[in-house]
Order: sequence, then structure tokens, then C-alpha cells
Amino acid sequence: EIVMTQSPVTLSMSPGERATLSCRASQSVGSDLAWYQQKPGQAPRLLIYGASTRATGVPARFSGSGSGTEFTLTISSLLSDDFTLYYCQQYNKWEYTFGQGTKLEIK
Amino acid sequence: EVQVVQSGGDLVQPGESLTLSCAASGFAVISDYLSWVRQAPGKGLEWVLVIYHGGNTYYRDSVKGRFTISRDNSKNTLYLHMNNLRPEDTAVYYCVRGYNYAYFWGQGTLVTVSS
Repeated sequence: EIVMTQSPVTLSMSPGERATLSCRASQSVGSDLAWYQQKPGQAPRLLIYGASTRATGVPARFSGSGSGTEFTLTISSLLSDDFTLYYCQQYNKWEYTFGQGTKLEIK
Repeated sequence: EVQVVQSGGDLVQPGESLTLSCAASGFAVISDYLSWVRQAPGKGLEWVLVIYHGGNTYYRDSVKGRFTISRDNSKNTLYLHMNNLRPEDTAVYYCVRGYNYAYFWGQGTLVTVSS
């Protein structure tokens, strides 16, 4: 099983700042990496797939980068709506696995 | 409009069975790639299984032999049949579109396995 490790577990930022969330895979997953946003009581929402392609309707302030084992989700200028939970997921090898999540909180 | 409506979640005892439903509209279950993803209370996400439009399925090891998936084309509905349920199967189960990344999610249904 490929283990996905996200860091930090909690990220404290202020609105308007730039946030950088990291995701590391225990072995190479190429570019088979997705990012999701989950708000309390809701299903996750796909943000990024293919490591860097924004899903339909996702604002341009969200961007993804990386390949192999190191990946980054960047939110260029935080809005209050962005302070929630984020997960990465690899789909290079079955069983697909998720990171444990990064909670983005308001400082 | 694309929509999925999930149902079937319940409180069951260990060893019992349960079937979850995922009724689709706006797309055909028979010709789509669909998966089930679960989330234990307060925990992270776990991809449980995937069914390809051709019918091939992939199950995670922890549910192999206990969970099966089926489709009813006349009702445009996907089913998850869960047997011999364990406490560790307790989770919100999401029906999702996608065989690798999940681009559309159902609202989820809660399965609680407890004595």
C-alpha cells in the first residue's frame, strides 16, 4: 500500500495570505495525484487531478504541482471559505490511498 | 442535472448484512465508472471499491469476500451489498463517480456496526 503523508497537520493562516500544503507519497505515483476539499458535514469536493489540473469550477487561486513523491497544493490568496480540511489521494496503484488531511485554520 | 441519491445506511450488529443504494439521474450507471469511498467518524477517507463500466471490479483487501457491488439498469441504481459487517466498517459511505479520482460525490449514508 502506498502511504500518503500530508504536512502540516494543521496550518494557521490569515485571510489574504498564500497557503502551501504538502503531500508526500511513500513511492512514486507519477502525476496520479488528486486534491480534495472537505467542509464539515459535507462530502469532499475534487479540486485538482493529475497533480496540477483544476477540476471544473475550481477557482484559479487553487493550484497543484509536483510529481513522483512530492506534491503541493497552493492557495494563492486565502478567502474565509477556504479554511477547512484538505486531502490528497494517489490513484497510481490500487488500493488507492488518501493522506490523513491538513486542516487549514484561521490564525 | 447530474444527481445521486444515496440510501440504506443503518445501525446493525456485527456479523449482519446491509445493502446501500445509489440512485443516479443525469447519467447512466451501466456506462459509467463508479466507486464507493468511506469515511469513519472523525477520520480520513478510504477508497473501498470501483466498478468499471464494463463490469470489472476492484475491492480493497479488507472488504474482499464480504462486499459486492451490483447494478440495476432499469432503476439506474448502484448497490453495495455488505455482509459479515465488522465494527471497523462503521463509516459514512459515499457513492462517487470516477474510477481513479472522485469528481462527483453523493451525499453519503451512515453505516454503524455495533452491538
